[in-house]
Amino acid sequence: QKEVEQNSGPLSVPEGAIASLNCTYSDRVSQSFFWYRQYSGKSPELIMSIYSNGDKEDGRFTAQLNKASQYVSLLIRDSQPSDSATYLCAVRLIQGAQKLVFGQGTRLTINP
Amino acid sequence: GAVVSQHPSWVICKSGTSVKIECRSLDFQATTMFWYRQFPKQSLMLMATSNEGSKATYEQGVEKDKFLINHASLTLSTLTVTSAHPEDSSFYICSPRWREGEDTQYFGPGTRLTVL
Repeated sequence: QKEVEQNSGPLSVPEGAIASLNCTYSDRVSQSFFWYRQYSGKSPELIMSIYSNGDKEDGRFTAQLNKASQYVSLLIRDSQPSDSATYLCAVRLIQGAQKLVFGQGTRLTINP
Repeated sequence: GAVVSQHPSWVICKSGTSVKIECRSLDFQATTMFWYRQFPKQSLMLMATSNEGSKATYEQGVEKDKFLINHASLTLSTLTVTSAHPEDSSFYICSPRWREGEDTQYFGPGTRLTVL
């Protein structure tokens, strides 16, 4: 089982709609979760971090965490064409160097 | 967010040559540096973790003699790909962390390596 799993997509969403991205992780004791956005040919940029169960909102973005289900999601409201990118879910492991482990990413396309 | 630079941003080299990639944290001191690589249409894979002044710890399957990491100062880390081969062609990204326990992790802009 992969440490962090995402549906690779592609996911197509019409402009103005809500895009929903999902992620599951295997390490039950993980405490830190992140969503990154990566445009083609660029390095990842941090969108949000979440540490507690429930929702965390930042502008058009809402991260949701359910530790019991080992599930993290990202909602993008009022999707814009500029949101088209690959979204990477990342989980920080507790042991050792506390490295960040990434999912394979979900390719999101917002259609005008 | 943190300001991180990488140089060069892209490089093309012949098979068998060595390439050095520099990563600088411009507005903070990085006690730990993570080096990732990303093959086309794949996610980021951690290659190694280095702490300033000590040897790097490499992930399973990453050859330490091929990918030399130097983290001699708190603002500069280098990755040298020795005797590069076409299969080393990838996007290399550094990610500094300024202290243990600091959770937010930013990434450099990346270096695109193409080995002919």
